[in-house]
Amino acid sequence: AQKVTQAQTEISVVEKEDVTLDCVYETRDTTYYLFWYKQPPSGELVFLIRRNSFDEQNEISGRYSWNFQKSTSSFNFTITASQVVDSAVYFCALSGNAGNNRKLIWGLGTSLAVNP
Amino acid sequence: DTAVSQTPKYLVTQMGNDKSIKCEQNLGHDTMYWYKQDSKKFLKIMFSYNNKELIINETVPNRFSPKSPDKAHLNLHINSLELGDSAVYFCASSQAIGRQTQYFGPGTRLLVL
Repeated sequence: AQKVTQAQTEISVVEKEDVTLDCVYETRDTTYYLFWYKQPPSGELVFLIRRNSFDEQNEISGRYSWNFQKSTSSFNFTITASQVVDSAVYFCALSGNAGNNRKLIWGLGTSLAVNP
Repeated sequence: DTAVSQTPKYLVTQMGNDKSIKCEQNLGHDTMYWYKQDSKKFLKIMFSYNNKELIINETVPNRFSPKSPDKAHLNLHINSLELGDSAVYFCASSQAIGRQTQYFGPGTRLLVL
């Protein structure tokens, strides 16, 4: 069965600190897809990134970066120079490529509080 | 233009009532979903439709019935509402099930009194 673990339930940082949100996944599929979503206090779910299992290149988008390591089954998310607007719940998710594994499996989320 | 829209945004109702939530997407996607998010933020898939055909039906009470009149719309009807149904319900869509990114509506906050 597929599984996503976000071990950090809550993180609190001070503005301008760097913060890394961990995501560890389990799957037997050789082809799979990993996602990160942001849920700010307003409640909507905002897509951040999608990565397929064949692309281990790290991704950077502004202050956001993602480190995908198949060897450790991790897809970690780093926010550099955090800002108050980054305060949100962040979800990591996984989907396989066939059959019932195509469902999106969600982690429990990490609640990030960035304090001024 | 809103990509995935849901109505209503808020729904407050009494136990035992029947209510519906509507969802529409203008992204041209083939697949739509309903999720339930509880008070602890846990996201649970309920249903998924692909081209109006039900393809995922999780263990959900049969008081919940989805309906897809066309591939741009997926509605959720809930009969005999219970206190435990209070949650945020999200609609989402994607080009296809699985590997494609899901885009979410703003959510419908349901409170059953």
